Parts: sequence; structure tokens; C-alpha cells
Amino acid sequence: GAVVSQHPSWVICKSGTSVKIECRSLDFQATTMFWYRQFPKQSLMLMATSNEGSKATYEQGVEKDKFLINHASLTLSTLTVTSAHPEDSSFYICSVLSGYEQYFGPGTRLTVT
Amino acid sequence: DAKTTQPNSMESNEEEPVHLPCNHSTISGTDYIHWYRQLPSQGPEYVIHGLTSNVNNRMASLAIAEDRKSSTLILHRATLRDAAVYYCILKGNNNDMRFGAGTRLTVKP
Repeated sequence: GAVVSQHPSWVICKSGTSVKIECRSLDFQATTMFWYRQFPKQSLMLMATSNEGSKATYEQGVEKDKFLINHASLTLSTLTVTSAHPEDSSFYICSVLSGYEQYFGPGTRLTVT
Repeated sequence: DAKTTQPNSMESNEEEPVHLPCNHSTISGTDYIHWYRQLPSQGPEYVIHGLTSNVNNRMASLAIAEDRKSSTLILHRATLRDAAVYYCILKGNNNDMRFGAGTRLTVKP
């Protein structure tokens, strides 16, 4: 299966600042990547579908101007949380689509103070 | 997307088999049944998937009811490393995958 990395693995930022999270497909060219968010003791919630070279498709209720997704290459997608607030603190997980399966990254824990 | 229903939690003793049930009564004919698991503070990990026939791999077995309205993930000998949240997901023609609440499996030594 595909190997997916995320950077950073954790980040603490101040309220009002922006944070960029990288998702890399290390051994597979990923046309499609997904971004999920997971709050403590809850399940994963799909935020958006990222397609290489085109605009991301956001789920209902996810602000596209707040969560900027860029999928400029077949191995890299980035999620930028703009003007972060404490309620954005969460575990952000990306995945790549390979055939029928999704392969997930290890996640990035964001804490906004 | 069709919905799945799983028990919130289950317990098992180490080295005993575990049967994790999943109900999906509104499954459509083209939906595949996928199982993923998530260890604490990690991303989900693929376990197994199937369409109609039972499936086996090195991690687990998947038993699918004849009417496809339910399925069971079978861990043949649970280990402490199998303690995780197990998600049963129906995947249709859309490529995205939507997670339910899952079952939190606790394995007792």
C-alpha cells in the first residue's frame, strides 16, 4: 500500500495565526487526497477532497476560505488553517486514494492557544 | 452514503477470537464493505474489505451475511496490539470514505 507522511506531527500556535500542514505520498502518485478532522473521542469527519491540479471539493459546513487546500503535485497536498482559533484545535489526518483503498497519514495534532 | 451501525465498545481476552459486528441494512448492490482500525493517536489503518463473499487476509477475516445487510470482522487471536477503534464503512462509487462512530475494542491480558 501507499506510504503517507504528514508534517508536522504536532503544532502549537497562537490564536489568529495561520498553520500549514503537509501531506506527502512517499511512494505513490496520488491524484486524489482527502483531509479529515478528528476531535477528541470522536470519529473522523471528512473535510475536503483534494484533486491534483484543480480546486478542492469541500464538505458542507467546512469553510473553504479558512481551510485552504493546495494539491499542486502528485505527491504533496497542503492544508492551511488560516486565522486559527482554539476551536480549530483538532487532529488533522490526510489520506491518499490508491485503487479501492485509502491510505492514511499519521495525523497532525493542532493546538491553538 | 449508506449508514452502518456498530456497538460502541467490546472487550476481549488476549489470544481469544473476537467477532466485531456491523449492521448495514440500507446497503446498495454496488457498495463494498470496508473495515479500518485506528490505534490511539494514529491515522486509520486498512484491515479488510469485501463485496459478497467472505474474505480472509493476514490480519482478519470478514464474514458477510447472505443478504449483505450485516457483516462481522473476525480477529482470530486478539493481541494487546489489536486494541483500537474499528470502523465498518460502506464505500460506493464515490471515492470518499465516511466514518461512523466505530467500535472501541479493549483487549484484556
